[in-house]
Amino acid sequence: EPEVTQTPSHQVTQMGQEVILRCVPISNHLYFYWYRQILGQKVEFLVSFYNNEISEKSEIFDDQFSVERPDGSNFTLKIRSTKLEDSAMYFCASSEVGQGAYEQYFGPGTRLTVT
Amino acid sequence: AQKITQTQPGMFVQEKEAVTLDCTYDTSDPSYGLFWYKQPSSGEMIFLIYQGSYDQQNATEGRYSLNFQKARKSANLVISASQLGDSAMYFCAMSRSGSARQLTFGSGTQLTVLP
Repeated sequence: EPEVTQTPSHQVTQMGQEVILRCVPISNHLYFYWYRQILGQKVEFLVSFYNNEISEKSEIFDDQFSVERPDGSNFTLKIRSTKLEDSAMYFCASSEVGQGAYEQYFGPGTRLTVT
Repeated sequence: AQKITQTQPGMFVQEKEAVTLDCTYDTSDPSYGLFWYKQPSSGEMIFLIYQGSYDQQNATEGRYSLNFQKARKSANLVISASQLGDSAMYFCAMSRSGSARQLTFGSGTQLTVLP
């Protein structure tokens, strides 16, 4: 069964460093998303991406964040200068395109720890 | 703006019994989707079930069913014949139809199945 994959599973970085989180969405999906979940809290939407551009973004997704689809398979989230409060689980998700609301399939997540 | 409320932070159920996890929502959108996700202790987000706002019948997927009451704005998840492996955090979520399909999550319910 096709699945969303994410690398790395765990990333430790120092405050102020840049990190890139990588995702490979399900191959026939064209909508991609990033969410984050701070430990013990609810899952929060960051950004959605369709047709090589950002479709929507939340207020969390400020200038420190960027997304890219560098090739036909990868979808990346870059945090330019990490802060302690960026420590969280980051989930990538993908969904099909079409009318109505379609289920989003999540990857296993990348746990980011900023020290 | 959309809002999801899950009022049960924790629930216990005896193995083989049914359990209902509550979810209420608020939206001004005429068309939307409602979702339930399971998050085991390992952290991944597993899609369980989807209900469209215009669907006439309640969604079912194996042991999962969604009790959709549109007038009450509720979308409760019913798990029949609980198994020990059902112990996990359960999140209710919703999205708008159309191009903006970010998921808005509730705070979750921690379900513990007792042997």
